[in-house]
Order: sequence, then structure tokens, then C-alpha cells
Amino acid sequence: DTGVSQDPRHKITKRGQNVTFRCDPISEHNRLYWYRQTLGQGPEFLTYFQNEAQLEKSRLLSDRFSAERPKGSFSTLEIQRTEQGDSAMYLCASSPQQGGTEAFFGQGTRLTVV
Amino acid sequence: KQEVTQIPAALSVPEGENLVLNCSFTDSAIYNLQWFRQDPGKGLTSLLLIQSSQREQTSGRLNASLDKSSGRSTLYIAASQPGDSATYLCAVSSGSEKLVFGKGTKLTVNP
Repeated sequence: DTGVSQDPRHKITKRGQNVTFRCDPISEHNRLYWYRQTLGQGPEFLTYFQNEAQLEKSRLLSDRFSAERPKGSFSTLEIQRTEQGDSAMYLCASSPQQGGTEAFFGQGTRLTVV
Repeated sequence: KQEVTQIPAALSVPEGENLVLNCSFTDSAIYNLQWFRQDPGKGLTSLLLIQSSQREQTSGRLNASLDKSSGRSTLYIAASQPGDSATYLCAVSSGSEKLVFGKGTKLTVNP
């Protein structure tokens, strides 16, 4: 078990470009979450999946954001037409199916939009 | 809407001191509470998970308590070390599967 893996670790992009991040959860974890963290703040929930089904989305997830989890394994988070306000750390977490269980986070993807 | 507050925002202590970090939440109907550690520019490392039915959890020099009725949790760190320097985040799970985080306490342990 290698933990939650995120790729890339850092991404610098020009405003208006599209970016895609990948998350590989701990194997056998059915639940996968995306959070966004800006400087000096705690992480904020974006969306979560149970297997391949996206069950909840935050209002923070504008139309420019889309997340997928095909086949219930890895997940991707795409941001279209990036804006400077999208600059943040994007964190992925996974947990076992049962409710009330421990969430394990990856190392995050640091996005800088210039 | 659940809100989580962590006090203090920053704390600086000499090595060897015992310390307490505080976390409060507005809605006591929680599934669990989790404490995390975050080093600069890194992801979150889970430290302790307390289920809503539990009062405390211990791991090494760390002890976390939970008083659900009053909406409070504390993280006690014994015999602090410079390697404990990091930001400590408290998060609660309630109503849905998502975690609601506080802004964290930045701890500096001076040698």
C-alpha cells in the first residue's frame, strides 16, 4: 500500500489554459474526495465519489470544473479556462466504504495560474 | 452549516514543553473528528481519529479528546520536539461524507 498518489505535484499554467490532475487512491478504498486549499486556510470540500458515482458536489465547483472516476479506480479533476483565482493546492483523499472512517490524503497538486 | 474554529492560530513553545491545541465546532451531530498534521507545501497526515461515541484517542505523545455535547476537541502534545513544528488541522465529518476543516494552528517548537 503506497498511500494516496497525486500527479503532478506542481503545475504552472497560463490563464485561460486547461489543466488536469490525477489521483490514485489507496486500493480497495471506495470513497474518493477532492479538496482545495488556499494559503492560510483549511481545505475546502469540492466533490466526492463512491466507486464511479459522483455523489456530492460543492458550490465551489463551478462549471469550469469537472471530475471523473471511471471504473471506480483513479480520478481526474479538470479545470477549463483557468483563472488566477484557481491558484491553490488541490488535495485528494480516500477512505473505506463504511461511514465514519479515517480519511487519508495525498501530497496534493500545487496549481499556479499566471 | 457546520463551522470549525481552531485556537490559537499560531503557537511558539520551547522544546520539551507540553501543549494543548483547541478545536471547536458548531454542530454537535458529528460522525467523527480527525486531527491532521501538515508540513509546508505538503499534503495532510492523519494523526488521530475519534469516533462520535469515543471520548479520546492516544498515539505516542499525542492525545486527542472529544466533548461532543460542548462541541470541543483538544490535541495534547507531550514533551514537544522541533520535529513537531507544523500546522495542525482539525476536521469533523457530519451529515454527509465530507470533512469540514478549521484553519489550523501553526506550531513552532524552538530548540
